[in-house]
Amino acid sequence: DIQMTQSPSTLFASVGDRVTITCRASQSISGWLAWYQQMPGKAPKLLIYQGSKLESGVPPRFSGSGSGTEFTLTISSLRPQDVAVYYCQQYNSYSLLTFGGGTKVEIK
Amino acid sequence: QLQLQESGPGLEEPSETLSLTCSVSGGSVGSKSYYWGWIRQSPGKGLQWIGTVCYGESTNYNPSLKTRVTISVDTSQNQFSLDLRSVTAADTAIYYCVRGESGDSGGYFNYWGQGTLVTVS
Repeated sequence: DIQMTQSPSTLFASVGDRVTITCRASQSISGWLAWYQQMPGKAPKLLIYQGSKLESGVPPRFSGSGSGTEFTLTISSLRPQDVAVYYCQQYNSYSLLTFGGGTKVEIK
Repeated sequence: QLQLQESGPGLEEPSETLSLTCSVSGGSVGSKSYYWGWIRQSPGKGLQWIGTVCYGESTNYNPSLKTRVTISVDTSQNQFSLDLRSVTAADTAIYYCVRGESGDSGGYFNYWGQGTLVTVS
């Protein structure tokens, strides 16, 4: 199994801050990584796929980077509506798709 | 615009079979361009992929659930279903139906249903 580890588990930041979330894979997944945003009481929403490709309709303040085993999701300027839990997901191995444990982003 | 809607009982007894259906509008479950699947989230916890199916192609299941799970597609009703057998309290979760892109670069999910809570008790 490919294990996905996110850090931090919780993040407090101020409106306007640059926020970075890290996702590490237990083995190389090339660029096959997606990021999702889950707002309270809602289904997850795809933000980024293939490591760095922005899903249609997602604000450009969200960006993804990385390859191999280390990936980051960056929010360039945090807004109140970005309060959510963010998950990474690897799809290098379609026999077992796995998610990270999530990072909760809150406003300081 | 594609829409996915889960339906099924909200309460199951232990050892029974949990059966959920996902109704699809704005797209066809018979398309080989997409995977259709299920993901669950235990209360207050993270996301677990259950399995995905591409009509007329492969079906993939999470190995930890494989012996208890069946996902099937019904093109006549434009829906797909999840059967999870011999449920226990550990299967209590919000169940989401999802759609993802098939092909070599697929494996992520760009459409999600609103989710349905199933309690095993």
